[in-house]
Formats: sequence, C-alpha cells, structure tokens
Amino acid sequence: DAKTTQPNSMESNEEEPVHLPCNHSTISGTDYIHWYRQLPSQGPEYVIHGLTSNVNNRMASLAIAEDRKSSTLILHRATLRDAAVYYCILSLNTPLVFGKGTRLSVIA
Amino acid sequence: DVKVTQSSRYLVKRTGEKVFLECVQDMDHENMFWYRQDPGLGLRLIYFSYDVKMKEKGDIPEGYSVSREKKERFSLILESASTNQTSMYLCASRKQGSSYGYTFGSGTRLTVV
Repeated sequence: DAKTTQPNSMESNEEEPVHLPCNHSTISGTDYIHWYRQLPSQGPEYVIHGLTSNVNNRMASLAIAEDRKSSTLILHRATLRDAAVYYCILSLNTPLVFGKGTRLSVIA
Repeated sequence: DVKVTQSSRYLVKRTGEKVFLECVQDMDHENMFWYRQDPGLGLRLIYFSYDVKMKEKGDIPEGYSVSREKKERFSLILESASTNQTSMYLCASRKQGSSYGYTFGSGTRLTVV
C-alpha cells in the first residue's frame, strides 16, 4: 500500500481557514486520495475524496498537486466541532488502511 | 439518515466467553468491514466482506471469525475472548466501487475481564 505522511498535530483558531497537508510521493496512477476524520468517542467520518482534480463539498475542499504527490484538505472556517483526528488515505478498491493522522485542535 | 448500527456501545465479557458483535447497515451496501482501534496502534482491519457469504482476512484476523449471511448484517465473533481483545471495535460499510466513501458505526467498546 502506498504510504501517506501527515503532521502529528496542528492547531487553528476558530473561524480561520485550516490547511491540512498530506504527502504521498509513492501514489500510483489509480489511487484515490481519501480524507476521513474522527471526532472524540465516535467512528471515523468520510470527509472527501478525489483522484486528480480539486474537489469541493459541503464539509471541505481537497486540493491535489499536479503531480499527485501531495494533497491538502482545506476547512474554510474552522469551528470547535472540527477538532478531530484527520486521516489521509490512499486506496482504489482495497480496504482503507488508517495511519496515525493529524490531530487538529481548534482554539476559541 | 443512512446508518451503520452496532448492537452495543459498551460490552463487558469474561475471558473464554464466545462473543458476538453485530453490525447492521440500512444502505444496501455490498462491502462491510470490521476494525479495532487501540491507543497508539490506530485502526487495524480485522476482516472484511465484499458481499453476502464472502469474507476476507484483514491484517489481524487471529482470534476472530465473521459471518455474512445477509447483505445488511456483518457479525464479528470472538471464539474465546481474551484480555488482549479488549478494544474499541468499529464496523463500516461501503457501496461497491471506488467512488464511494465508507460509513462507520459509532463503535463497541469491549472489555474482557
């Protein structure tokens, strides 16, 4: 499985944008880039995924580098409810393999 | 609202007991998965199923088995529970195909004493 690298933790002020980076230099041409988050005491929650083009949904935006070796999850306006562990995962049809993710703290 | 429901939020069982963890989804999803989550080790895949009657071993299947007799239900079985199986167990489902995300249940925190 192709590996991803994420910072262990990040901090953001409430109502400010947050950019969560993910490096995946060994990504294959068919790997989708998935982002999930896990709020305290809950199961992971799907956030967004993409292949080559940038993607937007109601939760976040996903910016994918042109060479696909990195991506960035963008939360446009962080709220206290966005405090969670964010996982960047590469997958095609194989089961998701979770790494340690990035723990995002949001400060009021 | 679409859902993955795990039968118990908290469970306490004795060493040596046979334990059944049930997971039901109402989304007609083909794929279902069982993970366990432990501090410092993250989420690890135990078993998964691509469809009814199908099962595949994940990364840590030892001490576990599964059953998928109906599309909506995926059961994880601990044949003889041990204390090292104390963990948070998470079930997930997904519609077949790469474009779809996983939906997770809220988890079952199992304690084996």
